[in-house]
Amino acid sequence: DTAVSQTPKYLVTQMGNDKSIKCEQNLGHDTMYWYKQDSKKFLKIMFSYNNKELIINETVPNRFSPKSPDKAHLNLHINSLELGDSAVYFCASSQGQGKYFGPGTRLLVL
Amino acid sequence: KQEVTQIPAALSVPEGENLVLNCSFTDSAIYNLQWFRQDPGKGLTSLLLIQSSQREQTSGRLNASLDKSSGRSTLYIAASQPGDSATYLCAVGGGTYKYIFGTGTRLKVLA
Repeated sequence: DTAVSQTPKYLVTQMGNDKSIKCEQNLGHDTMYWYKQDSKKFLKIMFSYNNKELIINETVPNRFSPKSPDKAHLNLHINSLELGDSAVYFCASSQGQGKYFGPGTRLLVL
Repeated sequence: KQEVTQIPAALSVPEGENLVLNCSFTDSAIYNLQWFRQDPGKGLTSLLLIQSSQREQTSGRLNASLDKSSGRSTLYIAASQPGDSATYLCAVGGGTYKYIFGTGTRLKVLA
């Protein structure tokens, strides 16, 4: 029944490593997003894909590369992880109005 | 540039009280406004979505209003319960895809 799912739920890794977070939605939505929630709990959009095409790319370092193999998936790959990348990353989807969020991936870079 | 502010940042109330959470935005040309709840260490749960043409939405003990001209939305929670304790976030839709989130109000309802 999970609408938007993310894996892994927790990710602890060393600085400099490359990691990926996966997101899947079973709602049949056309649009998917990645948001970052910082230590002050502020949520900010990073990317948005519509029908597998990138439509929003905020000022995010190019170490972050989203990939959408199909409409139901939007994965986030992060190269050369830095301490400042530690945050909670949320995937979301929408079809027109309203957004549905995943449970989040808590990334800790040591 | 749209800016979204939520006041108060934190609120502690005794069980049973009615309370109001505020959300202000600087650009009234919005597409919609959505209220979310976030429990500690959890994801976001959608509470209410108000389209730009609507004035309010209701769900159970929750009522959200929207006044675009003044750049304000309020979330009213009736007869608060300890289970309502969470962070409440409003998000303003500036277009079909983009949401700007407020900084949130941390609510604690005391038993």
